[in-house]
Amino acid sequence: DMKVTQMPRYLIKRMGENVLLECGQDMSHETMYWYRQDPGLGLQLIYISYDVDSNSEGDIPKGYRVSRKKREHFSLILDSAKTNQTSVYFCASSLGGGQDTQYFGPGTRLLVL
Amino acid sequence: GEKVEQHESTLSVREGDSAVINCTYTDTASSYFPWYKQEAGKSLHFVIDIRSNVDRKQSQRLIVLLDKKAKRFSLHITATQPEDSAIYFCAASKGITGNTGKLIFGLGTTLQVQP
Repeated sequence: DMKVTQMPRYLIKRMGENVLLECGQDMSHETMYWYRQDPGLGLQLIYISYDVDSNSEGDIPKGYRVSRKKREHFSLILDSAKTNQTSVYFCASSLGGGQDTQYFGPGTRLLVL
Repeated sequence: GEKVEQHESTLSVREGDSAVINCTYTDTASSYFPWYKQEAGKSLHFVIDIRSNVDRKQSQRLIVLLDKKAKRFSLHITATQPEDSAIYFCAASKGITGNTGKLIFGLGTTLQVQP
């Protein structure tokens, strides 16, 4: 069963705290993505990972970093979270590059107070 | 940079009617155009795609048309049902050569199917 999982699903943090969002996939997909979704802004790509330790900035990487030490696992880290990072974060994976179907996780709703 | 615009932010149709969502793109190198559906409070899932080597693709009640000259593509949902109500996102990506794996998404169209 093709699946992308995200943990946690809901998270409340205070400004300045560190945040770790985790994503897993069971499809041995090479490429993984982190997006954030905000009303009126659609989906914005934060980072893309082409494989283990092969990560590339997306369109809005500032304030975020990522880690991919295993092919099936991709983490998004917010060092010292800011209130404007309140959003819904989606992880996705695809077999290869931009012409392969992306499979999305259920999302993490992050509130930074 | 590359932009994808969805022309309708909201669309309301009666059950059984057809719905059409239109998108345009700016990068002539774009060659892959998927559509994703997001039901209320849920994640996105893939519904249909089209590649630039064809101008029409159909999957059951979904039809995608591509006009490369106009840099326009559209999603047609025929015989709409209440469960078609959702936000639909169009997206575009470049071909294999120079491909960075990035999809550029439109802002989404909220489709409401009235019973």
